[in-house]
Amino acid sequence: DAKTTQPNSMESNEEEPVHLPCNHSTISGTDYIHWYRQLPSQGPEYVIHGLTSNVNNRMASLAIAEDRKSSTLILHRATLRDAAVYYCIPQTGANNLFFGTGTRLTVIP
Amino acid sequence: DAMVIQNPRYQVTQFGKPVTLSCSQTLNHNVMYWYQQKSSQAPKLLFHYYDKDFNNEADTPDNFQSRRPNTSFCFLDIRSPGLGDAAMYLCATSRSLLAQSAYNEQFFGPGTRLTVL
Repeated sequence: DAKTTQPNSMESNEEEPVHLPCNHSTISGTDYIHWYRQLPSQGPEYVIHGLTSNVNNRMASLAIAEDRKSSTLILHRATLRDAAVYYCIPQTGANNLFFGTGTRLTVIP
Repeated sequence: DAMVIQNPRYQVTQFGKPVTLSCSQTLNHNVMYWYQQKSSQAPKLLFHYYDKDFNNEADTPDNFQSRRPNTSFCFLDIRSPGLGDAAMYLCATSRSLLAQSAYNEQFFGPGTRLTVL
């Protein structure tokens, strides 16, 4: 499985955009890049995933570098409810999630 | 609209006393997973079922077993809990077992926090 590097923590002001980076330089050509987040005292929840192209959904956008060695999760307007640990998870083959250490996002009112 | 339900939310057991945690789903998904999350750590996959086919992760201790009697229910049995097994246990489901599927999103339950005395 590809190794990932994410900042341990980040802060954002409420209502401002947040860019959460992930480095996955050992990713294979068939690995999808998944993002999950875990709010305090809850189970993880799916955010977004992609392979090569940038992806958008109602929660976030995912920007994938052309060489696929890194990606950035973009929250367009951070709210207090977005305070969570964000996990970047490359996956291929079986749909098993191997979580790394993630980035703890703090949103400042 | 509960989709993945875990009972109980909090479970206390004694050292060495078998304990069973339960998970049910209303999504009719083919795949069910169990994860262990220790304090301040990321979730760690223990095993999964695709229908009735069981797949154990290589480093999951033998002390952990699982049963899936039907599509909706899955159980985690800890035969002889040790102090190191105190953790949050998370159940998840997905429609597909393939990472590249459009139906690979995993839905997690709220977890059961296990305390071992």
